[in-house]
Amino acid sequence: NAGVTQTPKFQVLKTGQSMTLQCAQDMNHEYMSWYRQDPGMGLRLIHYSVGAGITDQGEVPNGYNVSRSTTEDFPLRLLSAAPSQTSVYFCASSYSGQGGSYEQYFGPGTRLTVT
Amino acid sequence: GENVEQHPSTLSVQEGDSAVIKCTYSDSASNYFPWYKQELGKRPQLIIDIRSNVGEKKDQRIAVTLNKTAKHFSLHITETQPEDSAVYFCAASLYSSASKIIFGSGTRLSIRP
Repeated sequence: NAGVTQTPKFQVLKTGQSMTLQCAQDMNHEYMSWYRQDPGMGLRLIHYSVGAGITDQGEVPNGYNVSRSTTEDFPLRLLSAAPSQTSVYFCASSYSGQGGSYEQYFGPGTRLTVT
Repeated sequence: GENVEQHPSTLSVQEGDSAVIKCTYSDSASNYFPWYKQELGKRPQLIIDIRSNVGEKKDQRIAVTLNKTAKHFSLHITETQPEDSAVYFCAASLYSSASKIIFGSGTRLSIRP
């Protein structure tokens, strides 16, 4: 299993450009999430999904869109990039584990810089 | 919505000593509390988690305690080793909504030789 994969690893955008961060998992997990990580602010939830066709907003959804057309893929779209969106983005997946663990499996991250 | 506060933001301990990181949460409905460790340049990884029907859980040198009444939970690392140096995150969620996990702001733990 490749686990959770993210592309690209690095990206530089100009203000106002749009782009899609890709996330895929091959573990048949029903739950997927997007986080951004900024220094001193931990991991903040952007959007999440509890299954194909079902998405919802997290703590910081403004400026981002998501869709979940398949179990495997959960792309994150930046509509009009702003310098405040410079961050490291992590995608994660999880499932209803035995014994009550809902471990989040994180991807390797995408480092995005908006100039 | 849920809010998780974590402290201290940085912690330095002598190798072999214990380290304690504390978190509070706001939503009394939260019932699942994981802890993640993130080494420099790597992705976060789960190290231990606890459900609200359990007061304490141990796994070798790490333990987590939960006080539902006070809405706080703590991570305890005993006999610290250099490889324990990392950033640690606490988190809280509803058990029924495993993808909506809210994280604290993190604690950077340094182990002094």
